[in-house]
Amino acid sequence: AQTVTQSQPEMSVQEAETVTLSCTYDTSESDYYLFWYKQPPSRQMILVIRQEAYKQQNATENRFSVNFQKAAKSFSLKISDSQLGDAAMYFCAYRSNLETSGSRLTFGEGTQLTVNP
Amino acid sequence: KAGVTQTPRYLIKTRGQQVTLSCSPISGHRSVSWYQQTPGQGLQFLFEYFSETQRNKGNFPGRFSGRQFSNSRSEMNVSTLELGDSALYLCASSLWAASYNEQFFGPGTRLTVL
Repeated sequence: AQTVTQSQPEMSVQEAETVTLSCTYDTSESDYYLFWYKQPPSRQMILVIRQEAYKQQNATENRFSVNFQKAAKSFSLKISDSQLGDAAMYFCAYRSNLETSGSRLTFGEGTQLTVNP
Repeated sequence: KAGVTQTPRYLIKTRGQQVTLSCSPISGHRSVSWYQQTPGQGLQFLFEYFSETQRNKGNFPGRFSGRQFSNSRSEMNVSTLELGDSALYLCASSLWAASYNEQFFGPGTRLTVL
């Protein structure tokens, strides 16, 4: 079974600064997907960024980028130029590419990000 | 295009009762997954339905069940409610039950068991 670990329960950053959230995972599979989801106080889960394990290039989405280290099973999220609207709970998630796994996501514990003005 | 909708948004029940939660996926989406979110256990996968068939099931007791209708709408049912069932229940939909399809989450149903 796969596990996802987020070792930082809480993080804070000053507005306009950069912050990095950490995530490690454990799997015996070689083909999978990794995701970062954001859950603001409204509780609606929003996809921030995703990474296919077979791609060596790190994914980027505007101010959000990842550092994917497949051998180390590490998947960190970097938020640049932090904005007040970035304040939320961030979840790292794993999804197997096995057909039998379907759309099942395995989530980490979450990191609560506070953005200070 | 309308997003994933869940009804009701809030629900209060007492121990021993049963409850049914509903999820309407994005139009055209055929896969619906359910997750339970609690402060203690975090986000845990309940089950996934695709084309009216359960494709995957998480590690939950048989009191938790679900179904999917021909229009892809899904319901989950919890019988004989326990205090520990108090949680935010999230559903997510995607086009297919395939790993490369993005999942879109609904706003959740907050269930409180007294």
